[in-house]
Parts: sequence; structure tokens; C-alpha cells
Amino acid sequence: ILNVEQSPQSLHVQEGDSTNFTCSFPSSNFYALHWYRWETAKSPEALFVMTLNGDEKKKGRISATLNTKEGYSYLYIKGSQPEDSATYLCAFRSNAGNMLTFGGGTRLMVKP
Amino acid sequence: DGGITQSPKYLFRKEGQNVTLSCEQNLNHDAMYWYRQDPGQGLRLIYYSQIVNDFQKGDIAEGYSVSREKKESFPLTVTSAQKNPTAFYLCASSMGAQRQAAYGYTFGSGTRLTVV
Repeated sequence: ILNVEQSPQSLHVQEGDSTNFTCSFPSSNFYALHWYRWETAKSPEALFVMTLNGDEKKKGRISATLNTKEGYSYLYIKGSQPEDSATYLCAFRSNAGNMLTFGGGTRLMVKP
Repeated sequence: DGGITQSPKYLFRKEGQNVTLSCEQNLNHDAMYWYRQDPGQGLRLIYYSQIVNDFQKGDIAEGYSVSREKKESFPLTVTSAQKNPTAFYLCASSMGAQRQAAYGYTFGSGTRLTVV
């Protein structure tokens, strides 16, 4: 079983704060790293799929970086808003198949 | 609109009974997956199918069974052999390997199973 870790487990920030969290994954047999946002009572939604070392992706105020050699990815949220409150999941895909191995998630709560 | 439908949203069953969770997609995706979530834990893979009439065990397949007779459907049966069946179950689908890299998984809204 592959080890994918996310930290912190939960995070409380004030509206307007910028924040970031970490996903660590195996540095061997890398194929892709996914980030998902999962709001309460909804389905997880794909944010980014990253495949190349050094990749940086951005969607609005959210961005992510990838380091496959050391096995970590950062997710950044600039100027957090209450609607950013959700659980953020990362998932690792090896070159052995289509399956994703998920981390435990980071639960973000943004206070107005 | 295309998507994945899981039903029912909540399910209660007596201990010792088998129960089947439905997952249907109209996205024309080749691959489908079942994950389980327990409180404080990440999603764990139960079974997956990359093509019709073929499926593979994931990390926690014991006590579960699946079928993939149609591309659109991937039902999960929780059998009486599953020791701790109470959990949240999430179904997902994806395109083939190359395009999954661009689009990721599409998820259903989940089924919460409680065994009493």
C-alpha cells in the first residue's frame, strides 16, 4: 500500500489570509499527482492534475506546485474566502495503473 | 448533464445482510472505482474496473464484490463477510489512462451505509 500523507489535517484561517498545505508521496514510479476539493454534502471536484516535475498550475486564487524528485506538492490559496472552506485531497498515481491513492485530506475552515 | 449517480444516499441494513450500492455514469468513461471513507481516514480503494467484464481488487476488497456487465454501471455488494461495513462509500469514474492525466476522476455524491 502506497503512503500518501497530507498536512496539516485541519486548518482554521481568517478571511483574507493566504494559506498552504502539503502532500507527500512516493518519489519512485511517479505518473501523476491530483488535487481535489471536497465541499460538505457535495462530490469531490478535480482541481489540478500534475504530471511533470516543477509543474505549477493555477486556477483563480488557488495554485499548486510539484516536486517529483523529493515527493511533495504544495497547494496555495491566496486571500482565503469562506467559500474556500472544504477538504482538500491529494492523490498519487503510479505508473503501474489507473488507480489513485489518496491522502487523508486537509480540512480548511475560513472564518468571515 | 453527464455525471455519476449513486443511490441511495443513506442506507440502513441489519447485521448479516448483504446490501448492494448502485453507481451509474453517463460520461462514457472506461474506468470505474469504489472507495470507502471512515472517520479521520482518507479514501481507500475497494475495487476498480478498467473495462467492461473485468475488475480488480483494491487495497481493502475483502467482504465486497462487484460486477461490470455494462460500461455505465458498477454496483458494489457489501457482503455479510465484511466485518465493519458501516462507512461512507464513494464511486468514481475516469477516461482511459492518457486522458485521465488531463481530467482526473469524476465522483458521485456517495452512499452512507449504516449497519445495525
